[in-house]
Amino acid sequence: QQPVQSPQAVILREGEDAVINCSSSKALYSVHWYRQKHGEAPVFLMILLKGGEQKGHDKISASFNEKKQQSSLYLTASQLSYSGTYFCGTELTQGGSEKLVFGKGMKLTVNP
Amino acid sequence: DTGVSQDPRHKITKRGQNVTFRCDPISEHNRLYWYRQTLGQGPEFLTYFQNEAQLEKSRLLSDRFSAERPKGSFSTLEIQRTEQGDSAMYLCARGGNTGELFFGEGSRLTVL
Repeated sequence: QQPVQSPQAVILREGEDAVINCSSSKALYSVHWYRQKHGEAPVFLMILLKGGEQKGHDKISASFNEKKQQSSLYLTASQLSYSGTYFCGTELTQGGSEKLVFGKGMKLTVNP
Repeated sequence: DTGVSQDPRHKITKRGQNVTFRCDPISEHNRLYWYRQTLGQGPEFLTYFQNEAQLEKSRLLSDRFSAERPKGSFSTLEIQRTEQGDSAMYLCARGGNTGELFFGEGSRLTVL
């Protein structure tokens, strides 16, 4: 039941855009997105609950498709600080993250 | 600051020894989680507390692992008779109001 993330790694130049996908074989209750920098703990970015939902802040946004089986994280005009590994975490049933299952992550490197 | 502190940050032990990790949320939070993360992987769910009650425990946890949360405040994770495969980062997280997870800095275990 682990979500599948793609691509596994991306190298960008500062200012370029990136899209990270997260797919599940089953309909989800929620999708979480986290970013982890090397040697640090994962940091919460956003959570999506509704099919068709889109949300974001600054230049990072995310969508959740109508069937609630796929989510994408959009990074626009990437900055050096965006470098890190991005994880999606999925929840199958309602209940406040009793069992959030994380994907294997997408490693993003942003170069000057 | 995620409001979660973990101790120790690093632990090196010999195979067969017991280790204990502690997690302290700054203020009392109903939901507290333990995850394990190995190199190149996303966090894996270990166990979850609602106040002092341990509501779910992953099949990943063998009988050598035990977690407690007396009085619903701090939590401990003990690993008995450590094995080299136990080497990982052990992450504690508190649950946010909308289901998000706020991770502590983690306790890195190295079993020699």
